[in-house]
Amino acid sequence: NAGVTQTPKFQVLKTGQSMTLQCAQDMNHEYMSWYRQDPGMGLRLIHYSVGAGITDQGEVPNGYNVSRSTTEDFPLRLLSAAPSQTSVYFCASRPLGRDYGYTFGSGTRLTVV
Amino acid sequence: GNSVTQMEGPVTLSEEAFLTINCTYTATGYPSLFWYVQYPGEGLQLLLKATKADDKGSNKGFEATYRKETTSFHLEKGSVQVSDSAVYFCALSENTNAGKSTFGDGTTLTVKP
Repeated sequence: NAGVTQTPKFQVLKTGQSMTLQCAQDMNHEYMSWYRQDPGMGLRLIHYSVGAGITDQGEVPNGYNVSRSTTEDFPLRLLSAAPSQTSVYFCASRPLGRDYGYTFGSGTRLTVV
Repeated sequence: GNSVTQMEGPVTLSEEAFLTINCTYTATGYPSLFWYVQYPGEGLQLLLKATKADDKGSNKGFEATYRKETTSFHLEKGSVQVSDSAVYFCALSENTNAGKSTFGDGTTLTVKP
């Protein structure tokens, strides 16, 4: 199993550009999430989804959009990149329910200049 | 809302020393509790979990016991190795159908030879 696959691994954007971070999982997990990780701030939840067609906002959703058209894919769109969005982004998935831990992707390191 | 508090790092130990990383939580009901480990340049990996009071999770020599009376889930290892150097995250999943997750800020461990 590939697990959770994120692409690209590295990206440099100019302020105002848009892009999509891809996330795919092959474990048939219902629950998928996007986090950003910044130095000294731990993980912050951007958006999450409990199944195809269902998405919801996390604690830092501004500037980001998501959709969940299939169980496998959960792309994160940056609408108009800003330097404050420079971060490492992680996608994670798991089954529904409280007893299951996440499987994380390897991350996308994004720099906005 | 739910919250997870970890002891502040960084923690520096000599090889073969005893490790404790403290974690306490606030949640309604009975969450499940997790420890994740993040090695440099990688995503988080599930290290161990406990799903009910007095459960002990264990993996790779690490242990943590779910203490409902003190709302704690401290991570321990009897003899650390240089290869244990990483960032450790405590997390909970709430007792709902979806099991929404909350992470601590992470504790950086460095083990010196």
